[in-house]
Amino acid sequence: GAVVSQHPSRVICKSGTSVKIECRSLDFQATTMFWYRQFPKQSLMLMATSNEGSKATYEQGVEKDKFLINHASLTLSTLTVTSAHPEDSSFYICSARDATSGTETQYFGPGTRLLVL
Amino acid sequence: EDQVTQSPEALRLQEGESSSLNCSYTVSGLRGLFWYRQDPGKGPEFLFTLYSAGEEKEKERLKATLTKKESFLHITAPKPEDSATYLCAVQAKRGGSNYKLTFGKGTLLTVNP
Repeated sequence: GAVVSQHPSRVICKSGTSVKIECRSLDFQATTMFWYRQFPKQSLMLMATSNEGSKATYEQGVEKDKFLINHASLTLSTLTVTSAHPEDSSFYICSARDATSGTETQYFGPGTRLLVL
Repeated sequence: EDQVTQSPEALRLQEGESSSLNCSYTVSGLRGLFWYRQDPGKGPEFLFTLYSAGEEKEKERLKATLTKKESFLHITAPKPEDSATYLCAVQAKRGGSNYKLTFGKGTLLTVNP
């Protein structure tokens, strides 16, 4: 149980294009999902909290117009990196909280490696 | 501001050599402390959640403990497949629906056969 998937696992794009990453909770409903970014040999940094049916909450320093988050259903959140630039190259990981589990545990997806040329 | 410090940054053990990883934290009211394992190029894999001082949890060769200031992840008789980065994260008690996790930088564990 508590499986989270991400798609794609790896994407290469040209500078200036937009990239969409999907995060799905496969066997539970997630009212809250989270998007993290991880640079090489660094820890995870929270970018934003995504709540189903409402606007995402962004962490300080994260551009909401650049990183568009949509959480349209209880099992799907998407992160769109708009007008991507080489400095956006990173490992993007989502997590989901099972609100019915009675715990605060977040389960993570396998991550998406983004390379912007 | 919540802070999490993990030590050591890297640890190299021989197979069967038990040891402990440390996670020191500062948080304004702890809602939960979490341990994850992360393999290279993959997302973190959930290990344990601890909620209150004195609590302990075990899973195979791993045992996590919690005090008011720190948590330890004890590894008994490790095997090479235990090699990974172990991440500690805290969640503070906050009003509303704020479930933010603050992560430490992790401990890179290498177990040699």
